[in-house]
Amino acid sequence: DAKTTQPPSMDCAEGRAANLPCNHSTISGNEYVYWYRQIHSQGPQYIIHGLKNNETNEMASLIITEDRKSSTLILPHATLRDTAVYYCIVRDTGANSKLTFGKGITLSVRP
Amino acid sequence: DTGVSQNPRHKITKRGQNVTFRCDPISEHNRLYWYRQTLGQGPEFLTYFQNEAQLEKSRLLSDRFSAERPKGSFSTLEIQRTEQGDSAMYLCASTLPGISPLHFGNGTRLTVT
Repeated sequence: DAKTTQPPSMDCAEGRAANLPCNHSTISGNEYVYWYRQIHSQGPQYIIHGLKNNETNEMASLIITEDRKSSTLILPHATLRDTAVYYCIVRDTGANSKLTFGKGITLSVRP
Repeated sequence: DTGVSQNPRHKITKRGQNVTFRCDPISEHNRLYWYRQTLGQGPEFLTYFQNEAQLEKSRLLSDRFSAERPKGSFSTLEIQRTEQGDSAMYLCASTLPGISPLHFGNGTRLTVT
């Protein structure tokens, strides 16, 4: 079972920041937080991952709370192309390192 | 394009027929995963290979399903005696050991009529 909970949907205006929340209160010390997104009829696309420090790349920023029980994915300037389902996943990078997906959050970016 | 490649992109078959899908992972990725995704749901794990060894199978992988990765490179997923409930998107992903992210292909969409 997925170890994360996300609201089912949210929207934001084009050009504004999109802040996508995720709760993972049962995360353990060796588990990382990964974010993927999926646009209709495509495979999931990797966005970013982190352990406990905030991370930033060309796509997004990941803010993880100090207690690691929740995180926020930030898309700084959302565009219409960012409309997708976003998955927050807690991953144990030992053993088989598989990803266990939940239902994700549907982000709709409006013009 | 050096990403994960899956073929075919679409497959329509009649109930009871056998189908086979192929996945070509990113070169040098020794870990390969198969997932299944139905409408409105997140992808569900089916099975995992490290090199040519199949190390884990989900209970979703009934005995009609078989996956192989004979030389530790490409992989095939076969479904025998297809049923309408097998209609789904079948996704393949590959990665390196450790925290390296999984990279997914664009899937094979199976429709069983």
